[in-house]
This record gives sequence, C-alpha cells and structure tokens, in this order.
Amino acid sequence: NAGVTQTPKFQVLKTGQSMTLQCAQDMNHNSMYWYRQDPGMGLRLIYYSASEGTTDKGEVPNGYNVSRLNKREFSLRLESAAPSQTSVYFCASRDRDRSYEQYFGPGTRLTVT
Amino acid sequence: RKEVEQDPGPFNVPEGATVAFNCTYSNSASQSFFWYRQDCRKEPKLLMSVYSSGNEDGRFTAQLNRASQYISLLIRDSKLSDSATYLCVVNPTGKLIFGQGTTLQVKP
Repeated sequence: NAGVTQTPKFQVLKTGQSMTLQCAQDMNHNSMYWYRQDPGMGLRLIYYSASEGTTDKGEVPNGYNVSRLNKREFSLRLESAAPSQTSVYFCASRDRDRSYEQYFGPGTRLTVT
Repeated sequence: RKEVEQDPGPFNVPEGATVAFNCTYSNSASQSFFWYRQDCRKEPKLLMSVYSSGNEDGRFTAQLNRASQYISLLIRDSKLSDSATYLCVVNPTGKLIFGQGTTLQVKP
C-alpha cells in the first residue's frame, strides 16, 4: 500500500515549456486535490476532483489544467510554464464519505527558469 | 485578511518546555478544524483534529474557541523530534484552508 505517489520528484523547466505532473493513490479514495506551497503562503488549492469524472477550480487555477483519468489518477498540466509557477506541488486524496483527513503525496519540486 | 492566520515563528524552545501555538480564522461558518505537521521538505500529515470540547493526544492538546474564532495547540514536554512546522487547517466549505504554518525548533 503506497498511499499517494507523485512523479517526478524534481523538475526544471524553461519558461514556455509544458509538462504534466502525475499523481496516483491506491486507497480507493474518491476525492483528489492539487496544491502548491510557496514560502510564507501556506498550501493553496489549485484544482480538485470530488469524484471520478469531475474537476473544479480551487483558489489559484490560472495557468493549470487537470485530468481525472480514473479513480486512482489525477494529473496536473502546465501548458506554458512561467517563473511564477516555481513551487512545490502536492497531490492529496481523501475518502470524502468517511473523513476530512487528506493524505498527501511526497511532492514535486518544480523550478521554472 | 487571510482566511487562516498563524504566527510563522520560529519558536525556539529547549527540550522539556511547553509551547503553545495559536491560529485565527475568519469564516465563522467553519465546521471542522485540524492541526497538520510538516517536517522539512516533506508532505503534511494529520496531527490531530480539533473538537469543540477540546481534545488531547498524549503530550498534545488542541482547543477551539468558536466565539473568538481561534484554535490552539499546546505541546508539553517538548522533544527534539517535535521540531517541525505546524499547520492550522480550517474547513469552511468542504475544502481545507491551510494556514502558512508555525515553525518549532526544539533545542537540546
């Protein structure tokens, strides 16, 4: 039981490049989330998916897109990376029928130059 | 005004000390409250939920004051291993809102 996994762990992009951050969970959770964490800002919600087939914007969705591929997987795409997207990205999941506790992946450290 | 505010610290305390963190929230409709712990360069993990009546888990005590809209976390007999960032988390609308965290450094 791996919990929540994220790939890659580290990434450096040039401005304008695109990439997809992958997230998968094996806990059969229905809700999944993408956050970014910046110094002094706490975690901010980018997008979330309450269940398979649905996605909704969070607090800071601009510049990102998401796909809930199936119940296990929730990917985050940066179409044209900007230096302001340099951050640590965390994926999380939750069993919304049982608890508000969210389980986080280990994070992806992204630098955009 | 931020929805959830914490004193970022750092709080530097000696082993064995008692330390308390406070957190204020702005949305009076918030129903669920939590403390998460985040070690350096790691993911956040749930430390404890906060109940209206207050709750305790070993050396950790969490309290909620709805009238004043603040939450507290008390750590007694601090250990070196308690060094981390403590995130106050509030749930006003079904989505979690995280504070920026309070950093604790416990020194030998």
